[in-house]
Amino acid sequence: DGGITQSPKYLFRKEGQNVTLSCEQNLNHDAMYWYRQDPGQGLRLIYYSQIVNDFQKGDIAEGYSVSREKKESFPLTVTSAQKNPTAFYLCASSNYKGKTGELFFGEGSRLTVL
Amino acid sequence: AQTVTQSQPEMSVQEAETVTLSCTYDTSESNYYLFWYKQPPSRQMILVIRQEAYKQQNATENRFSVNFQKAAKSFSLKISDSQLGDTAMYFCAFSPAKSSGDKLTFGTGTRLAVRP
Repeated sequence: DGGITQSPKYLFRKEGQNVTLSCEQNLNHDAMYWYRQDPGQGLRLIYYSQIVNDFQKGDIAEGYSVSREKKESFPLTVTSAQKNPTAFYLCASSNYKGKTGELFFGEGSRLTVL
Repeated sequence: AQTVTQSQPEMSVQEAETVTLSCTYDTSESNYYLFWYKQPPSRQMILVIRQEAYKQQNATENRFSVNFQKAAKSFSLKISDSQLGDTAMYFCAFSPAKSSGDKLTFGTGTRLAVRP
């Protein structure tokens, strides 16, 4: 079945450590996105990529980094520079060339900083 | 920049009844898409319904329909014959209809509880 796989579902990190969240899609979508979800704040865009080897900052990119070496993969690294990393992270993809505007989401990764 | 506002943090409805979730947005774009997404507890976020701004007819998907008022920049979601499986967080979202991709701006969400 086609879809988006995020791993791990739950992750605990000590302060000062970098962590990488995985996102893989087999939908053959060109565009991929990372959103952060906090209670009462909705979803906020961290980074997005419309094509391999290219990505752009979203609204809250500080303290995060990404790569897009393959069409199927868009990992997110939460660095020690991110001041408040505890959150729920959602990866999404879209076939934006179809101009439908619809995003397909993974099940999310919950990061907790101890 | 666009903003999306959902003024109802929580709502509750009796099973089989109708409920309306509110959403307003602000934009200077002339053409855009509007969406309602559903996020059930501990489950994947999925698209409920989509509206294209240049279409005057309100979108409908089975028990879900929208009331799109472009001049008022309002986009409410009506759920008819509510079911227990409708219990979820609902997000309203906006996307400009440009070639720059599908960067959605989301509202803060409305948590809907359907009571048996």
